[in-house]
Amino acid sequence: DAGITQSPRHKVTETGTPVTLRCHQTENHRYMYWYRQDPGHGLRLIHYSYGVKDTDKGEVSDGYSVSRSKTEDFLLTLESATSSQTSVYFCAISESRTGTEAFFGQGTRLTVV
Amino acid sequence: AQSVSQHNHHVILSEAASLELGCNYSYGGTVNLFWYVQYPGQHLQLLLKYFSGDPLVKGIKGFEAEFIKSKFSFNLRKPSVQWSDTAEYFCAVNALGSARQLTFGSGTQLTVLP
Repeated sequence: DAGITQSPRHKVTETGTPVTLRCHQTENHRYMYWYRQDPGHGLRLIHYSYGVKDTDKGEVSDGYSVSRSKTEDFLLTLESATSSQTSVYFCAISESRTGTEAFFGQGTRLTVV
Repeated sequence: AQSVSQHNHHVILSEAASLELGCNYSYGGTVNLFWYVQYPGQHLQLLLKYFSGDPLVKGIKGFEAEFIKSKFSFNLRKPSVQWSDTAEYFCAVNALGSARQLTFGSGTQLTVLP
């Protein structure tokens, strides 16, 4: 398995509180991604990064922000969590934007109550 | 923008039955195609991928997929399923030249009865 660690693995938080999820990789891959997985929707891209301090929005970026200050770390922040953000969040990495596969982390189950 | 359709949301088979899961994508240009599998409680793992060349690709655990460009399809097949194949299967497309990243279908839950 690729060296990807997500933390925390499980979190329950209250509506309106900020939440930060961390993705750490040991593969030195340039591209990192945050997806959310919801029943009936598959995986949807939230944000991605193509290098340190270089990030861009995915298809469901509203309510989320990201930061990448080091190659190995990609943080996802929910500024003010809402119940609609209850989901399973997956981090993924790849060597290039196209032409190679993405490797996924174990996921973070977030519940907003 | 590209999109991926998986028409079978839930498939139930008995062991030894043959499997075919449909995947269609919409994008007029060159694509890379993937099938990922997610076993219960686990992360996504790559089953197989198509970049170019032989449109029939073989993956792990006896799975294969055929890329039919004229039909914009990349269907997953296995001649004889096992109980351990119970999982959710995702088709994904990476459209070369597009600003979009890897796009996933909504997934197909496969249940194999012993």
